[in-house]
Amino acid sequence: DAGVIQSPRHEVTEMGQEVTLRCKPISGHDYLFWYRQTMMRGLELLIYFNNNVPIDDSGMPEDRFSAKMPNASFSTLKIQPSEPRDSAVYFCASSLTRGLGNEKLFFGSGTQLSVL
Amino acid sequence: AQSVTQLDSQVPVFEEAPVELRCNYSSSVSVYLFWYVQYPNQGLQLLLKYLSGSTLVKGINGFEAEFNKSQTSFHLRKPSVHISDTAEYFCAVSERSSASKIIFGSGTRLSIRP
Repeated sequence: DAGVIQSPRHEVTEMGQEVTLRCKPISGHDYLFWYRQTMMRGLELLIYFNNNVPIDDSGMPEDRFSAKMPNASFSTLKIQPSEPRDSAVYFCASSLTRGLGNEKLFFGSGTQLSVL
Repeated sequence: AQSVTQLDSQVPVFEEAPVELRCNYSSSVSVYLFWYVQYPNQGLQLLLKYLSGSTLVKGINGFEAEFNKSQTSFHLRKPSVHISDTAEYFCAVSERSSASKIIFGSGTRLSIRP
């Protein structure tokens, strides 16, 4: 398996533009997570899905952020409109839960977002 | 809700010296604990995890961590570090009732000097 695949690896955009980050989880994994990493706040959980259904979006910073998972093999994180303070590395991760707490998160390589 | 505190944002050590990276957690219920490592320009990888049983957990690359319930700590240790251990290390916690929601600490950057 190729692992968790994120695209693009780098995104540079101007303030006010819409940004869409994409993630393909590992086949068969039933959980998908979106994290944001910044120097100031470290790694923050934004939202996670189970079987394509959003379970907890309490970490989504504002209404400008939205996430979807239309099927088991694809998820998007959208920021509209983007602002400079959204600049960060966004990680997608997936896991296969067995209900025993031994879930291991598999991370993608991240998307480095710069909003100018 | 659970939370994780990593007090040291950076830890510089000399090669072959021992190292301890500190992690404290807060939760009103039983938890699972994890350490992840992030090498430059990569995603995170699982180093080790504590689920139950022995409080001393051994992970990959010679790392180990000890769960201390009374002190709500899960410090990571290695007796002798190598240049290749240079990375950022994240402590993480999940509550047993919602095991899939894993919350990370702010990370500790380990830099190894020759």
